[in-house]
Amino acid sequence: DVKVTQSSRYLVKRTGEKVFLECVQDMDHENMFWYRQDPGLGLRLIYFSYDVKMKEKGDIPEGYSVSREKKERFSLILESASTNQTSMYLCASSPTLGTSYEQYFGPGTRLTVT
Amino acid sequence: AQTVTQSQPEMSVQEAETVTLSCTYDTSESDYYLFWYKQPPSRQMILVIRQEAYKQQNATENRFSVNFQKAAKSFSLKISDSQLGDAAMYFCAYKDSNYQLIWGAGTKLIIKP
Repeated sequence: DVKVTQSSRYLVKRTGEKVFLECVQDMDHENMFWYRQDPGLGLRLIYFSYDVKMKEKGDIPEGYSVSREKKERFSLILESASTNQTSMYLCASSPTLGTSYEQYFGPGTRLTVT
Repeated sequence: AQTVTQSQPEMSVQEAETVTLSCTYDTSESDYYLFWYKQPPSRQMILVIRQEAYKQQNATENRFSVNFQKAAKSFSLKISDSQLGDAAMYFCAYKDSNYQLIWGAGTKLIIKP
């Protein structure tokens, strides 16, 4: 079974804090994704990575950065958290080869910025 | 740009009955994939069913089936014999040659016992 884990289910941070959200997958997938999920807006892609040390901006990268130093780990960084970044954050991974393009998701981190 | 529209924010169905969730999309590509994902309350998003655009036959997975109308750019999900465990947010998604999926806003499915 593919497993994607995220470092926290719930997180409360103060405005201006630096926030790290970590995601780890155990299936040797090349591709990893960070999404933000808000009611009525579906999932919006923040960043994705198709290889170690490679990253591409998604639809809403402003205020976020990412790091992928190892294949299994993809981190999302909020450099200076703001209240409008209060949201559910979902990490996903997918293989490249062969593929159905199915994305496998972590349980999500509900971040509240006060 | 590709877009995915789910026009039903919420649907409800009696247990054991059939429900259809709607999805339309816009693309100029001829080769792409379509997906329905399910997100149960407080649980992980999982893939329900996938359709490859070049396949004319509608995909089926047990009680879940799709009605794929390529010319109309429509991709609806039918759930037969609805069960309480089917209660969830359902998301339609599109993918072409790009890495990323394009997602609809989601439909909340309520199952009435």
